Amino acid sequence: GESVGLHLPTLSVQEGDNSIINCAYSNSASDYFIWYKQESGKGPQFIIDIRSNMDKRQGQRVTVLLNKTVKHLSLQIAATQPGDSAVYFCAEGVAGGTSYGKLTFGQGTILTVHP
Amino acid sequence: DGGITQSPKYLFRKEGQNVTLSCEQNLNHDAMYWYRQDPGQGLRLIYYSQIVNDFQKGDIAEGYSVSREKKESFPLTVTSAQKNPTAFYLCASSYRQGTYEQYFGPGTRLTVT
Repeated sequence: GESVGLHLPTLSVQEGDNSIINCAYSNSASDYFIWYKQESGKGPQFIIDIRSNMDKRQGQRVTVLLNKTVKHLSLQIAATQPGDSAVYFCAEGVAGGTSYGKLTFGQGTILTVHP
Repeated sequence: DGGITQSPKYLFRKEGQNVTLSCEQNLNHDAMYWYRQDPGQGLRLIYYSQIVNDFQKGDIAEGYSVSREKKESFPLTVTSAQKNPTAFYLCASSYRQGTYEQYFGPGTRLTVT
């Protein structure tokens, strides 16, 4: 089946810098996309989501950008803090029918923030 | 507190034994999911259930079984037919409509030797 992938497996930044984590997806039928943060040994935590009818959505210190033309998703974290160090996953899904709610996860990017 | 609980946190079994992982939620969510995560990997869907008494296979269902007799509970059995059962298992739940966000439990790390 089609899957979601990430360009970079690791990203190291200095505290206070802005971070950008990228994700490529291949299923043009995907209706929604979610970014999750996973700390070591824990379950993933929801960060932000975006529907396919949007190209940008902002949250607290985070922004998700969606470029459907090139099937690319990115997560921007402003003023990155050491507590942001984690693995970040993008996930995609198709709304409707028996696939409702079903997510396909990417490989993940390890973000390391240096103080 | 509302949330998803998984127990135990760590589980050890001998090869050839079946083992059942618990997942309970009090979020009043209709849908529940089981994922497997291997080191340095993303999450792969094992089984999911959108309503009570109904469930569907995910991408890697072979060697696993589930039941959904109650809305709050979605136990996963790892059978002896699963060739590589050692992994981190994550349970999640979500509403059926209106939002696609899945809420995850803390996970169970299963080690089979």
